[in-house]
Amino acid sequence: DIQMTQSPSSLSASVGDRVTITCRASEGIDTYLNWYQQKPGKAPKLLIYSASSLQSGVPSRFSGSVSGSDFTLTISSLQPADFATYYCQQSYSTPLTFGGGTKVEIK
Amino acid sequence: QVQLLESGGGVVQPGGSLRLSCVASGFIFNTHGMHWVRQAPGKGLEWVAFIRFDGANKYYAESVKGRFTIARDNSMDTLSLQMRSLRPEDTAVYYCARDSRTWVVDYWGQGTLVIVSS
Repeated sequence: DIQMTQSPSSLSASVGDRVTITCRASEGIDTYLNWYQQKPGKAPKLLIYSASSLQSGVPSRFSGSVSGSDFTLTISSLQPADFATYYCQQSYSTPLTFGGGTKVEIK
Repeated sequence: QVQLLESGGGVVQPGGSLRLSCVASGFIFNTHGMHWVRQAPGKGLEWVAFIRFDGANKYYAESVKGRFTIARDNSMDTLSLQMRSLRPEDTAVYYCARDSRTWVVDYWGQGTLVIVSS
């Protein structure tokens, strides 16, 4: 199984901050990497697919990139609605696997 | 708009069975693969199973293989998950989810809670 390692597991940030979350796969997954946002008591929401493609309706402050084996989700200017937990997921092969999550909290 | 409505969750004893259902609307059901994904209380997301748009292929997580069966009825726009030999570690919110392109999940239901406890 492909293991997905996310970092950090949590972070505190202020409104307006630039936030970066990283995800690394245990083996090569090309650009088959997706990012989801989940708020407490709610279902996850797709933000980014194929490493850098913005899902329809998602604000442009969210972006995804890849450098080597490191995938990055960036929130350019954190908004109150962005405080949530973020998960990466590889869509390269089954079993599909998720990262452990990054909880973004208010500083 | 796309809607996925799960039902069938509840409390079951270890070793028992439960069948989850998901009714889909707002899209052409028989053109999309479908997933079940679960989340144990306070934990992260775990993929459970996938079924191809026509039901021809099914894939399972190792943790549920041989105990869970995913199925679909395209005439009723319904997805199901038959769960047998349930264990306490199967306790989770189970989400029905749509596949938008291979293995990318673009819509999720609200989830149904399964508690396995004596």
